Amino acid sequence: ETGVTQSPTHLIKTRGQQVTLRCSSQSGHNTVSWYQQALGQGPQFIFQYYREEENGRGNFPPRFSGLQFPNYSSELNVNALELDDSALYLCASSFRDRPDRGNTIYFGEGSWLTVV
Amino acid sequence: GENVGLHLPTLSVQEGDNSIINCAYSNSASDYFIWYKQESGKGPQFIIDIRSNMDKRQGQRVTVLLNKTVKHLSLQIAATQPGDSAVYFCAENSPDKLIFGTGTRLQVFP
Repeated sequence: ETGVTQSPTHLIKTRGQQVTLRCSSQSGHNTVSWYQQALGQGPQFIFQYYREEENGRGNFPPRFSGLQFPNYSSELNVNALELDDSALYLCASSFRDRPDRGNTIYFGEGSWLTVV
Repeated sequence: GENVGLHLPTLSVQEGDNSIINCAYSNSASDYFIWYKQESGKGPQFIIDIRSNMDKRQGQRVTVLLNKTVKHLSLQIAATQPGDSAVYFCAENSPDKLIFGTGTRLQVFP
């Protein structure tokens, strides 16, 4: 049990639709990251939010966007869904006391997205 | 470019034996590494971490070794149990993202 919770756990969307995934970070954590994990592969970094601002982004198009709220929870939004967006979306949280220092990162169980 | 990879895609061990999972990384500036265990249908579970100012760290039944000279990490699991069966990832933690390898599947047989 990591204290990182995600919703929904599973969902099915149609190509072209939009989806919002939600994440509650572990208590005391101020940093949230999102990862995409395709079947049989390692997670790929999408972006990170630190104190409500985007603080790094991976190689994902602008139709992947996010938010972090004052309570440090977060949303991942994906517009114009494509079949290749089908994956496990993982949220991870950590506490960073300064921007340049990495610390232990804990993952939620993920949201399984299927695009048909 | 940055890359964290694993030598063996699948490792089969007998219950009770020790397991060793290896990982290579390419960014010599990396200063923090984490091992995760991922069971089918679940998110990655933190196992153990190590910073670059150390070469060994021990946890409960697990040990991580870091060789900065050859940019190599290993995870040792003592007395492997059926519950250890999973995919194991090493990850390189730059301050704003984790870079994962493709993973090693550990299979434990009786």
